[in-house]
Amino acid sequence: AQRVTQPEKLLSVFKGAPVELKCNYSYSGSPELFWYVQYSRQRLQLLLRHISRESIKGFTADLNKGETSFHLKKPFAQEEDSAMYYCALGGTSGSRLTFGEGTQLTVNP
Amino acid sequence: DAGITQSPRHKVTETGTPVTLRCHQTENHRYMYWYRQDPGHGLRLIHYSYGVKDTDKGEVSDGYSVSRSKTEDFLLTLESATSSQTSVYFCAISGTPPPQFFGPGTRLTVL
Repeated sequence: AQRVTQPEKLLSVFKGAPVELKCNYSYSGSPELFWYVQYSRQRLQLLLRHISRESIKGFTADLNKGETSFHLKKPFAQEEDSAMYYCALGGTSGSRLTFGEGTQLTVNP
Repeated sequence: DAGITQSPRHKVTETGTPVTLRCHQTENHRYMYWYRQDPGHGLRLIHYSYGVKDTDKGEVSDGYSVSRSKTEDFLLTLESATSSQTSVYFCAISGTPPPQFFGPGTRLTVL
């Protein structure tokens, strides 16, 4: 069975500090991994997908198959980064995704 | 944002009443999903559809039914609403492969 673990439910940093949101997955096949962001009371938006290896809003994420991780990083956090972040795993039937429970990031001034 | 809307956006209802939520897409995507979002549980899949009239259960399907008679519409029905179904409901769509794209959500309160 596939599983996504986001060990931190809450994460608080100061503006300008580096931030890392952890995501670990369990899956026997070839994973497809995504990060979604949800700003207060809004829809979930796709932030990153591992196959594109791009940087969005200064965030990057690298798939580490050896550690089965897909951590989200940003070198200098901004107040507007405050949001809920979800890691999601695909790879099974159709386009179903398995979501982690999310990490609420707060960036303090 | 992908062309995906949900209606109603907010609803307050009483225990025991039927409720239907609608998801509408203009992207002609094959897959459609209904999730509920609750504090401490993240997103949980209720039902999904892989084509017109083709649906399947997710992890929290008890008390919910769905229908998809057209590619663009996916309906979620609570036959007899209970207070435990108070939640925010999100619809999502995708092609193959993922990602999924989400609607704006419906905030449902069951009194």
